[in-house]
Amino acid sequence: AQSVTQLGSHVSVSEGALVLLRCNYSSSVPPYLFWYVQYPNQGLQLLLKYTSAATLVKGINGFEAEFKKSETSFHLTKPSAHMSDAAEYFCALNNAGNNRKLIWGLGTSLAVNP
Amino acid sequence: DGGITQSPKYLFRKEGQNVTLSCEQNLNHDAMYWYRQDPGQGLRLIYYSQIVNDFQKGDIAEGYSVSREKKESFPLTVTSAQKNPTAFYLCASSIDNGAPTDTQYFGPGTRLTVL
Repeated sequence: AQSVTQLGSHVSVSEGALVLLRCNYSSSVPPYLFWYVQYPNQGLQLLLKYTSAATLVKGINGFEAEFKKSETSFHLTKPSAHMSDAAEYFCALNNAGNNRKLIWGLGTSLAVNP
Repeated sequence: DGGITQSPKYLFRKEGQNVTLSCEQNLNHDAMYWYRQDPGQGLRLIYYSQIVNDFQKGDIAEGYSVSREKKESFPLTVTSAQKNPTAFYLCASSIDNGAPTDTQYFGPGTRLTVL
């Protein structure tokens, strides 16, 4: 069965520090992976997606993620956290079957301390 | 501007009442989705539709109903049969080109509170 695990439901970093949000997946078929961000009381916005074209994917707002098949991971990073990065982050996996349903992680809440 | 609109942003309902949440998109997307979001539980799929006049149940369809009479509209009705309807509801849409990289775009959400 396919699944997504986000390690750490809450992550706290200092402003200017490295952001690392972890996402591991389980899939019996080639995975297609997404990272979304959700600000309080808002909808989700796509940060980036892995399409198999490149293992290092750059997204919006200075975020990037690296697909590592050997580790079944797709961790999200940003070199220097900004206060505006405080939000909920979701990793999702595409089920490439006929129903096209995304499989979602439970989310990681990122706090940025001044 | 192209996008997805959801209305209302906040909705209050008394127990035993049905309520309908609106979702409209002008992105010319074929597929539309309804999710429910509860704290610590991520997103759970309620219903989705890939074409007008057709829709499929998601993982938690009980107590909900939908219609897809127009390509741009996908309203969700929360019925009195839904045992715990208080939640944040998100509507999304996608091109649905058959590719696994098909991206879902989200509306701003509706927060439903049952009094």
